[in-house]
This record gives sequence, C-alpha cells and structure tokens, in this order.
Amino acid sequence: NAGVTQTPKFQVLKTGQSMTLQCAQDMNHNSMYWYRQDPGMGLRLIYYSASEGTTDKGEVPNGYNVSRLNKREFSLRLESAAPSQTSVYFCASTQSDLGNYGYTFGSGTRLTVV
Amino acid sequence: GENVEQHPSTLSVQEGDSAVIKCTYSDSASNYFPWYKQELGKRPQLIIDIRSNVGEKKDQRIAVTLNKTAKHFSLHITETQPEDSAVYFCAASIHSGGYQKVTFGTGTKLQVIP
Repeated sequence: NAGVTQTPKFQVLKTGQSMTLQCAQDMNHNSMYWYRQDPGMGLRLIYYSASEGTTDKGEVPNGYNVSRLNKREFSLRLESAAPSQTSVYFCASTQSDLGNYGYTFGSGTRLTVV
Repeated sequence: GENVEQHPSTLSVQEGDSAVIKCTYSDSASNYFPWYKQELGKRPQLIIDIRSNVGEKKDQRIAVTLNKTAKHFSLHITETQPEDSAVYFCAASIHSGGYQKVTFGTGTKLQVIP
C-alpha cells in the first residue's frame, strides 16, 4: 500500500498564480485533512473532510479552497497565491468513523511563493 | 476549543539518558492522545498513542503516561539514541459524530548528543 500520496513535492509560484495540491489515500479512510507547517508554529489545520461529500474550515482557511473528489482524493487549491502561503503542506487521513485513530500523513509539499 | 500546550520546546540530552516531554490539555472531553515523531524534512509519523481509559502504555524504549484529573500526558524515551533526534508533537483528540477533532501541541525538538 502507498498510504497517503501527495503531489507535487516542491513548487514555486509567483504571487497571484493559482495551483492545486493533490492528495490521495488507498487505506479506505473516511476522514482527510490539510495542514500547513511553518517554522516554530507546529501543524495548523486548513480544511478537513470528515467524510466523502463534506468539507469544513479549520483554523487557517483564508486563501484556500478544497474539494473532496471521492473517498480517496482530497485536493487543496490556492486561487491567488501570496507570499504568506509559503509553507510546507501536509495531507493526512484517518479512519475516524470507527473511533479515535492516529493520522497517516503524506510526504508533504514544499511551496514557495515569490 | 481545545488548547494543547507542550514543553519544553527544545531538549538536549546525552546519548543513553532519558528524555521527557510534557503536554497539557484543556478539554476534559478529549479521550485520545497520540504522539508523532517528525525527522528533519520528513512527514510526521505516529509513534505511540494512549486512550483515556489507560494510565500508561509502553512500546520498547518509549512510554506515555496520562493523568486525566490533572489533564496532562507525557512521553518518556529511555536509553536515547542519536536516531531519536527529531521534533515530537503531542496531540489531543475528541471523537464525536463520526469525526475526530485533533489539536496538536507546538512541538519539541529533541537533540541526542552522541
């Protein structure tokens, strides 16, 4: 099993450009999440999808949109990138419909906005 | 909402010594407490977890303890090795309505000195 797969691994954008970060999991997990990680600030939740067909805002949703395309895939879109969105982005998933379980994280996307 | 505080933010120990990382949480409804290890440039990975009906859990050189009354939990690493050097995150989770809401601590950078 591949677990959680994120693409791309690295990306440089110019201010104002748009892009979509892709995430797919093959573990039949119902819940998926997008986090950003900045130096010294830990993991901050951007958006989450508790189950297929639902999405909700997390702690820092401004400037982002998400799509839960199906049970496997959860994408994050930056419509007009800003330098403040320079960060490392992690997708995660878990089988939360059965109770509390740990997350499986993707390998991350390192995004630089210039 | 839930607030998780983690201390210390950095910790240096000599190889072979023990390391202890402490976390406190605010919401008594939290009932699942995972710990993640993140090596430099890598994804966070679940290393151990504890549920609220258990006071202590061990897995080889690592152990977690939970004090529900005081709302704090700790990670203990014994006989530390250089490969234990990483950032460790604690988290507190509440499960409700088929979804788990997870709050992360800000991380502890552990350095094991050979």
